[in-house]
Amino acid sequence: GNSVTQMEGPVTLSEEAFLTINCTYTATGYPSLFWYVQYPGEGLQLLLKATKADDKGSNKGFEATYRKETTSFHLEKGSVQVSDSAVYFCALSAQGAQKLVFGQGTRLTINP
Amino acid sequence: GAVVSQHPSWVICKSGTSVKIECRSLDFQATTMFWYRQFPKQSLMLMATSNEGSKATYEQGVEKDKFLINHASLTLSTLTVTSAHPEDSSFYICSATLAGAASYNEQFFGPGTRLTVL
Repeated sequence: GNSVTQMEGPVTLSEEAFLTINCTYTATGYPSLFWYVQYPGEGLQLLLKATKADDKGSNKGFEATYRKETTSFHLEKGSVQVSDSAVYFCALSAQGAQKLVFGQGTRLTINP
Repeated sequence: GAVVSQHPSWVICKSGTSVKIECRSLDFQATTMFWYRQFPKQSLMLMATSNEGSKATYEQGVEKDKFLINHASLTLSTLTVTSAHPEDSSFYICSATLAGAASYNEQFFGPGTRLTVL
């Protein structure tokens, strides 16, 4: 079946550090890939997405590239801020499907 | 736009009682709503998919008689945990897709409901 694996947290960084959160997936066909973010006390929000191979999703300084050859969708940001502290979820939806399959989430804490 | 609310945000109940959780799309019509369950430090697990006016589709292993889902309108879905037991204690999250959304059907998530069964 379809599955998503992301790096375990928690991840703690200093402000302005470079961030990478790894995400790999298993799926048949051509899934769509997503990163969701959950700020404290709030619901999940879509951060970025990519719907086909080699697409790069970007938003708020975050980027992730859909790599079919390595079945990966790693999240990166060049310079993190304290306000980026949240839980990040990698997810996929199978081709033609509505359902989302989530990774286990990675808690990110940024210290000033 | 695309705000989803849940009520209540937290509830404590006695074992054997039933609890109803509401999920509302506040500023849009939702053709489909999803219910998830999240255990501490674990991922979201899809429980069921509900479409307005039809029966919910439950994921394998989810008891449909225990977790009753009603999607009576395009802005409201309810999850009722019947005869709740301590093992039902969890964080329940709903999401909704926008009617007429793009092909990838972005889901908009509610803030979740923390259920504790004593």
